[in-house]
Amino acid sequence: AQRVTQPEKLLSVFKGAPVELKCNYSYSGSPELFWYVQYSRQRLQLLLRHISRESIKGFTADLNKGETSFHLKKPFAQEEDSAMYYCALSGGSNYKLTFGKGTLLTVNP
Amino acid sequence: DTAVSQTPKYLVTQMGNDKSIKCEQNLGHDTMYWYKQDSKKFLKIMFSYNNKELIINETVPNRFSPKSPDKAHLNLHINSLELGDSAVYFCASSPTGLTGELFFGEGSRLTVL
Repeated sequence: AQRVTQPEKLLSVFKGAPVELKCNYSYSGSPELFWYVQYSRQRLQLLLRHISRESIKGFTADLNKGETSFHLKKPFAQEEDSAMYYCALSGGSNYKLTFGKGTLLTVNP
Repeated sequence: DTAVSQTPKYLVTQMGNDKSIKCEQNLGHDTMYWYKQDSKKFLKIMFSYNNKELIINETVPNRFSPKSPDKAHLNLHINSLELGDSAVYFCASSPTGLTGELFFGEGSRLTVL
C-alpha cells in the first residue's frame, strides 16, 4: 500500500520568512514523489517532481529515502505562494497517484 | 485551447437522483482519471482508465459508473445520489500511467440536497 502524510493542515508565515511544508510517505518500492499546487480559483497543477531536482518558483524538495520524506521548502515566502499544496506519490505500474491531505499555506503581508 | 474540460462546473440535485459529469481532454493522453475532493480538501482517486480500459477502481460504490467511449473522454455517472456524494469531482489525464504528471480539469462541484 502507498500512503502520503502531510502533518500540517494549515501553515501560516509572513512574507519573506522561510517556509517548509512537510511530507512523509510509505511505500515498499521505489517511489516517485511530486508536489502539486492549487491556487485560489485555479485548477490543481504540478509544481515539481523529485526526479527533476529542479527549483520552481523558488521551491525545492529533496527526496530523503532514509526518513521517507519529501519536504517542500522555500527560503523567502511571497504572498502569491498562498495556496493549497499537495504531496503525491506514484509507485509501480498501477496508474495511481496517491495524494496527501494537503496543506493550506497562507503568506501574510 | 488544449486542456482537460469538465461539464457541468456546478451541479445541485436532490437525493436519489441520477446525474452525470462529462470529461474531455484534447491533450492526446492515454490515461484518464476521476478524483473526489471532499469537504476537507482530501483528494482521493476513484478510477483510472488507460486507452478506454479500466485500470483502477478504488472501492467506489457500484452507484458510480465511469464510461470511456474513447480515450479522449471519461464520463462519470452516479445513480441514487446520497448526501455523502457531495464533493468536487476532478477529472485528470496523463500521457502515460506512470509519470505522475496529471493534468487536471477545473472540477465539478456536486451538491446533493
